[in-house]
Amino acid sequence: DSGVTQTPKHLITATGQRVTLRCSPRSGDLSVYWYQQSLDQGLQFLIQYYNGEERAKGNILERFSAQQFPDLHSELNLSSLELGDSALYFCASSATGATGNTIYFGEGSWLTVV
Amino acid sequence: AQSVTQLDSQVPVFEEAPVELRCNYSSSVSVYLFWYVQYPNQGLQLLLKYLSGSTLVKGINGFEAEFNKSQTSFHLRKPSVHISDTAEYFCAVSDRGGGATNKLIFGTGTLLAVQP
Repeated sequence: DSGVTQTPKHLITATGQRVTLRCSPRSGDLSVYWYQQSLDQGLQFLIQYYNGEERAKGNILERFSAQQFPDLHSELNLSSLELGDSALYFCASSATGATGNTIYFGEGSWLTVV
Repeated sequence: AQSVTQLDSQVPVFEEAPVELRCNYSSSVSVYLFWYVQYPNQGLQLLLKYLSGSTLVKGINGFEAEFNKSQTSFHLRKPSVHISDTAEYFCAVSDRGGGATNKLIFGTGTLLAVQP
């Protein structure tokens, strides 16, 4: 158990809908990351937050947004969903946001868009 | 920009045999290197990482990896594998000069399939 908690574990929704994935980082970790894992794209970095502020942005679509709240939990919002958004979405956390810091991954949220 | 190549998508091996999973990277800047393992229906778990110092890094579960700067490689090895090592293994890099950002760039993964 990494200590990173993600909900829901599984989600099935229709095209065009909007979903929110939730993440609680490990106790004491200030930085949160979101990654997408799909068969065709592999593991892709989406976005990083540190203590509530955006630190780095990767291949995150404009239809997707994220935020980190004062209690350090984070949410990833996915809107206008398309079939291609079906993937495993990982949240991860690290003590600081500095490069080289060990990143701990949650078990992921499986999103299926039908 | 960095990229990671894991040439072998799948490596079959018999139990108690040695194994090497290959990882090569490309980067215009210095990098940190990582190996993660993903067991079925689970998240990624850090096996080991190279930040500096000795180029031979020992990790959990008997795995080790060697950083070779001239070959831009970071191959993962285990002298004797167990059935329980069956999993997907991912090599990753991050920009050493990334400062306050800690973005990991992953390879496509190698499925280690240990057979009895």
